[in-house]
Amino acid sequence: QSALTQPASVSGSPGQSITISCTGTSSDVGDYKYVSWYQQHPGKAPKLMIYEVNNRPSGVSDRFSGSKSGNTASLIISGLQAEDEADYYCSSYTSSSTLVVFGGGTTLTVL
Amino acid sequence: EVQLLVSGGGLVQPGGSLRLSCAGSGFTFSNYALSWVRQAPGKGLEWVSGISGSGVSTYYADSVKGRFTISRDNSKNTLYLQMNSLRAGDTALYYCAKDIWSGRTAPTIFDCWDQGTLVTVSS
Repeated sequence: QSALTQPASVSGSPGQSITISCTGTSSDVGDYKYVSWYQQHPGKAPKLMIYEVNNRPSGVSDRFSGSKSGNTASLIISGLQAEDEADYYCSSYTSSSTLVVFGGGTTLTVL
Repeated sequence: EVQLLVSGGGLVQPGGSLRLSCAGSGFTFSNYALSWVRQAPGKGLEWVSGISGSGVSTYYADSVKGRFTISRDNSKNTLYLQMNSLRAGDTALYYCAKDIWSGRTAPTIFDCWDQGTLVTVSS
């Protein structure tokens, strides 16, 4: 069982917006700004899409954005495109005995 | 261009040992904390271990504490993961990942990943 909880799957049509949630606790998501989101296409390495809740690395489309409320962080993808179809993982710094926790991952299907 | 290249994966029997290496290039290696992250076949990502740029500070997931040792040789721009007492549950693709910011002690945001090396623990 993953430390952060994500929905197993979400779907949307091209052009629509979707939101992927990531729920943790006050030991990770709730109390720290170090929430990140990664995109992973099949057979590929993960790619950083959002860091520190709502910051985009250079080169990442502005269709990707992030937010946080309480113990839940969210990844929002607007103007869905076929190339967005992938697995998405959230992660957070944690004050528990480990350092970083990941969510179980969410498979995004573009209909 | 920032690059990470992992080597050392393979098939090992339960109880055996293996050492992974990760060579970095295109950045000032000693300035960046690094981590190992693994992904079991068909499963999600699991953070395994991390180390500061100097190598002084190390961090481990509970699942590998006491069995795995992370280290680095900044003169060779190389990160290592020594894995002992391997179990079937350690079977996974192991990624080396670089922290986004220079100078941080604890690697928690990963902006560069290698393609991974497969470790299979089986008799």
